[in-house]
Formats: sequence, structure tokens, C-alpha cells
Amino acid sequence: QVQLVQSGAEVKKPGSSVKVSCKVSGGTFATYAISWVRQAPGQGLEWMGGTIPMSGRANYAEKFEGRITITADESTNTAYMDLSSLRSEDTAIYYCATGADAYIWGSLDYWGQGTLVTVSS
Amino acid sequence: EIVLTQSPGILSLSPGERATLSCRASQSISSSFLAWYQHKPGQAPRLLIYGASSRATGIPDRFSGSGSGTDFTLTISRLEPEDFAVYYCQQYAGSPPRTFGQGTKVEIK
Repeated sequence: QVQLVQSGAEVKKPGSSVKVSCKVSGGTFATYAISWVRQAPGQGLEWMGGTIPMSGRANYAEKFEGRITITADESTNTAYMDLSSLRSEDTAIYYCATGADAYIWGSLDYWGQGTLVTVSS
Repeated sequence: EIVLTQSPGILSLSPGERATLSCRASQSISSSFLAWYQHKPGQAPRLLIYGASSRATGIPDRFSGSGSGTDFTLTISRLEPEDFAVYYCQQYAGSPPRTFGQGTKVEIK
């Protein structure tokens, strides 16, 4: 059974950056397509980007290009999402998620518990 | 980018009733690479349906998905109290990006 455990809640100032981690266990980390999804208060789910660790590349939603960096550390089975130039609209719960099949950007079968990021002066 | 439009925005029903949720795509989704998720406050989203019509592991058979091309439907045959939540469709055809619909809230009437 694949499990994803995320880092704890963060409070950030506008203009700063946040880095959220997602540790994956129970599968072959390097081959999973790991996505990052967020939900702002009162809003729906929003796909931000993702990576397949062994590819060394990441894909991003156009909305976040230039502000987001998604990386993965195969030595610790941990994925990271770094979002910069934070503004109040980035206040949200951030989730990592992955599918059941290797190498495939499929459905999101497994989810982390979510990390609340609050952006406030 | 494929845009997904869900309807209705809010569905007010009573336990035991049938719920029918719609998801329409801006272009045809190849191989029915469409999923449905249930999301409750304070919890992570849960995968219900993948491949438009296959139930995920452990999902009760009162949940069913159908459709192809640009029109997809999630049906809950008889609503249980625990089914009142927000439901999202998501497409995963081809290479990223991935997109979600805006969600349908199923609330108790």
C-alpha cells in the first residue's frame, strides 16, 4: 500500500517562498507520477504540476509557470513543491498525490494528508 | 488544455435518492481517461472512478461512472448519509497538464 506523508502547516509572509515535502512509502518511488494539487478556501481542486522522479523533469500548469519548482529526492523517497512570490491567494491546502501504475500520469489513487499554507502579513 | 465543466453546481437530495452528476469536456478525452473523486472537509480527496467507469478499490457499487468522448456521468444509485460531499471529475489523457472540473456539491435536502 502506497502512503504519502506531507510536512506540517506553514505561515508565510507575502513575497516569500514555501517548500512542502511529501514522503512516499510502499512503492517504487522513482517510477511514480507525483502530482501536486491545491484547494484554496471556498474553491475547487487545482492541479499545479508534477514529476516522475526518474525522469528528472517536471510538468507545470501554465498558471504557476515561473513560480513553482517540483523536485524529487530518490535517496529519501521525498518529493518537494516550492512556490515563490507568495500572495494571499496562495493560502490553501496543498496535497501531493500519485497513481497506482508506474510511469503513467494516471488517476490519483493515493493522497497525502494535505499541508495548510497560510500567506499573511 | 482540456476544460471540464461540471453540472449542476449544487445538488440537493435526500438520503435514498439517486444522484446524477455531469462532467463535460471541451474536447474529446481519449480512451476515457477520466476520473471522479469525492472530497469531504478535513479529508484528502478519494478516488472513486477511473477510466470513466471502473470503480477504485473498496468503492461501493452504488457508485457508477459512464460516458465517453466529451460527456461523462457519475451516478450514485441510493445516497447514503456519508455520500454528501463535493465531487470532482479530472481528465488524465495524454501528457500533462491535468485539469479538474469545478466540482458538484451534493447536499442534504
